[in-house]
Amino acid sequence: QVQMQESGPGLVKSSETLSLICTVSGDSISSSSYDWVWIRQPPGKGLEWLGTFSSSGDTYYNASLKSRLTISVDTSPNQLSLRLSSATLADTAVYFCARETDCRGGACYGHWGQGIQVTVSS
Amino acid sequence: IQMTQSPSSLSASVGDRVTITCRASQSIGTFLNWYQQKPGTAPKLLLYGASTLQSGVPSRFSGSGSGTEFTLTISSLQPEDFATYYCQQTYTSLSITFGQGTRLEIK
Repeated sequence: QVQMQESGPGLVKSSETLSLICTVSGDSISSSSYDWVWIRQPPGKGLEWLGTFSSSGDTYYNASLKSRLTISVDTSPNQLSLRLSSATLADTAVYFCARETDCRGGACYGHWGQGIQVTVSS
Repeated sequence: IQMTQSPSSLSASVGDRVTITCRASQSIGTFLNWYQQKPGTAPKLLLYGASTLQSGVPSRFSGSGSGTEFTLTISSLQPEDFATYYCQQTYTSLSITFGQGTRLEIK
């Protein structure tokens, strides 16, 4: 059973880089048949897709964040990372990593980490 | 692709039948998923492909629709169903988007 755990600083200063790690067990990110995503949720608001590390090794980013966002994989340990540069107060959110599950040709996300609260301070 | 859910919030009683609507700004076929989220927890996948129930999800949940209009129906509300529900389109997997959410509250 795949499991994910997000980790990283809970407090980041404005203009600095927000860096998070998703540690995965039960699947190998780099050789997985599934896509991996980062999704965030600002306080009291809805879900926002940030980006995808695909099963083919490609990365796709939300256009609104593309210039600031980097998603990468460290194979040892088995971790998915997120780096968001020039953080602003608007980046304050709970950040989730998630993995695709079998959805008969479509994409859907049945495996999620518990999420990590990140606050950007001025 | 923009996803618009209605209503934004809904009050209902245990045993009620409720329907939530999700509209896409362009046709997405059936690349539509529904998630349930309770406070302080990660979203839980309920249905995918617009109408296929994820394993382990109670059969009182159902989904329908294709193209631009979709619905999530709960046939008989249970106490554990009070939560926020999100639709998600993955027609363009390069740009995944969610609806703004529907908060289902106890009347």
